[in-house]
Amino acid sequence: DTEVTQTPKHLVMGMTNKKSLKCEQHMGHRAMYWYKQKAKKPPELMFVYSYEKLSINESVPSRFSPECPNSSLLNLHLHALQPEDSALYLCASSQGSRANEKLFFGSGTQLSVL
Amino acid sequence: EDQVTQSPEALRLQEGESSSLNCSYTVSGLRGLFWYRQDPGKGPEFLFTLYSAGEEKEKERLKATLTKKESFLHITAPKPEDSATYLCAVQAVVGISGGYNKLIFGAGTRLAVHP
Repeated sequence: DTEVTQTPKHLVMGMTNKKSLKCEQHMGHRAMYWYKQKAKKPPELMFVYSYEKLSINESVPSRFSPECPNSSLLNLHLHALQPEDSALYLCASSQGSRANEKLFFGSGTQLSVL
Repeated sequence: EDQVTQSPEALRLQEGESSSLNCSYTVSGLRGLFWYRQDPGKGPEFLFTLYSAGEEKEKERLKATLTKKESFLHITAPKPEDSATYLCAVQAVVGISGGYNKLIFGAGTRLAVHP
């Protein structure tokens, strides 16, 4: 199984809502990532988890709250988002978090904030 | 500052018309250069990793090459199903003691192959 599964595929939320994005992998990977991708732009790193610990936060606003309950799961909790947060949110995993590791990406959650 | 520039932004080819996509980069100590394919509304799909100048890798109609300053993705006799955005990324190492992966992506080349 070389798959990263993300749910939901699409999400529409209001600025006062609280929602969560979920990501799961069963490849035994110990590093997991959240990327954000705006239309026709490249993916941009948000967070890195290594061995279930938050290792990198790329100065992401606190309305995005990541969580790694175990080595296979990664969540992104959303609260009080702005319309400019509408984007494709991608989860990725790699065997480790060191250099030379290739990332496997999920299909993403297309988020629209109204 | 680590940077990746891809050209052209968009490329339209006829089926069977070979061409090349360019990725130029500046990075302090290349740990790896990656090529990904991305279909609309989907996540990037891994194609190749290149580590050192002179290295080449092939997969079906695609061939990736690497020099000290740039990488090329050669597409030979493309088919309509090769239509996608092709992303190039370099690997930077971040964090305390440089222990963590960060892929820095270029803006991509949108390839359209017409029958």
